[in-house]
Amino acid sequence: QSVLTQPPSVSGAPGQRVTISCTGSSSNIGAGYEVHWYQQFPGTAPKLLIYGNSNRPSGVPDRFSGSKSGTSASLAITGLQAEDEADYYCQSYDSSLSVRRVFGGGTKLTVL
Amino acid sequence: EVKLVESGGGLVQPGGSLRLSCAASGFTVSGNYMSWVRQAPGKGLEWVSVISSGDNTYYADSVKGRFTISRDTSKNTVHLQMNSLRAEDTAVYYCARINTMSAVDYWGQGTLVTVSS
Repeated sequence: QSVLTQPPSVSGAPGQRVTISCTGSSSNIGAGYEVHWYQQFPGTAPKLLIYGNSNRPSGVPDRFSGSKSGTSASLAITGLQAEDEADYYCQSYDSSLSVRRVFGGGTKLTVL
Repeated sequence: EVKLVESGGGLVQPGGSLRLSCAASGFTVSGNYMSWVRQAPGKGLEWVSVISSGDNTYYADSVKGRFTISRDTSKNTVHLQMNSLRAEDTAVYYCARINTMSAVDYWGQGTLVTVSS
C-alpha cells in the first residue's frame, strides 16, 4: 500500500479525456513537494511524462498535462490514442520516509 | 547523450549476495543524485536507495541494513551491494538519475534479480 494513492485502472475511448488522480498527505504532496508522472509500457523502463507538477519534458505531446491542489495531483490525457495504453505512476518527495521519495501504486490505462 | 547501463543481475539463493552496477555516460555521477528503483513481477515501482551528490545515502525500510549504495567516480559508476537476499527482493532493478526537481529524468534498461532456491 503506497502512501500515494492512485486508482488501479482507468479507461476511455479514443478521442476522449481521462484523468488519473494521485492522493497524498501532509508529509508529501500537501507539504508542497512537487509531483512527477511516469509512463511505462510492458517490459520497458518508465519514462518521465510530467515533472514539477505540470511541466512536460521535450518530446511529450501537449495532450498530457498535470496539476496539483492541496494533497492531491492529477494527470490528464486529452484526445486519447491507442498508443497511450500503458501504466502511469505519480511520484513525490516524502519527508516521513527513510528513502525520502515515493511512487504511487500505479494506474493501468486501457483505451477501449 | 545520457545513458545508464545496469549489470550484475541474476539468480541467487536466499541469503546470498549480489552486486549491481550502473555505468553512466553523458554526465558525471558525482554531481548528481543517483538511485535504484525496483519493480517486482507484475507490481509497481518501489524506491530502493538514493545517494546524494554529497554522498548522503537513503534506503527503503525493506532493505535497510542489507543493501548498500555507493559511487565510483573514477569509473562513473553507481553500485548496489545486496546482502541477505530474500525471495521478496526478486525484481527488475533500475538505475535512475534524479534531477534537481527530484524527478527521475533518466532510467537504465533494468537488470533482473531472482532470489530462489
